[in-house]
Amino acid sequence: GDSVTQMEGPVTLSEEAFLTINCTYTATGYPSLFWYVQYPGEGLQLLLKATKADDKGSNKGFEATYRKETTSFHLEKGSVQVSDSAVYFCALSDPGDQGGKLIFGQGTELSVKP
Amino acid sequence: KAGVTQTPRYLIKTRGQQVTLSCSPISGHRSVSWYQQTPGQGLQFLFEYFSETQRNKGNFPGRFSGRQFSNSRSEMNVSTLELGDSALYLCASSLAQEGTGELFFGEGSRLTVL
Repeated sequence: GDSVTQMEGPVTLSEEAFLTINCTYTATGYPSLFWYVQYPGEGLQLLLKATKADDKGSNKGFEATYRKETTSFHLEKGSVQVSDSAVYFCALSDPGDQGGKLIFGQGTELSVKP
Repeated sequence: KAGVTQTPRYLIKTRGQQVTLSCSPISGHRSVSWYQQTPGQGLQFLFEYFSETQRNKGNFPGRFSGRQFSNSRSEMNVSTLELGDSALYLCASSLAQEGTGELFFGEGSRLTVL
């Protein structure tokens, strides 16, 4: 079945460092891909998404490009801030599924130090 | 605009009991999904309802059930609780009629089974 694999955390960076969180997926069709973020004490919220190959999702300085050839959707940010400390989840949805079903990766905890 | 509201936020039960969790979606959202989040298994999809009909179901035993009311509010029930059911249960709502659009998550109900 479909699956998502993320790099394991925790990841600790200094403020203004470059961030990459790797995400690869396995799917039979052409899924939509998402990054969700969970800040401490809060619910998950959508960070960005891409619905077809070569699409680039971006938000709040974060970017991820849908790479069909490498089945990847890596999350990047050029300069992280302390406020980016959170758990990041990569997820996919299968176009054959009726709404609401996401398959999540295990999550990557990011800690940014001043 | 009010977000997704889940009640109760915390609860403690003993093995063999049952529990009912409630979710009020964002006004106008007709799709409600439920997820279980544990440190070991991560985020796993339980089921999704749209207009009072279950459209999708994850790989959980029949002890896990849900329903949706005409006002889109949803409940999930877990019967004959086991220690392994201890988890954060997340509800998410969405506007999407087809496919998976952006999911808006509540803060969750944290269940502890003793």
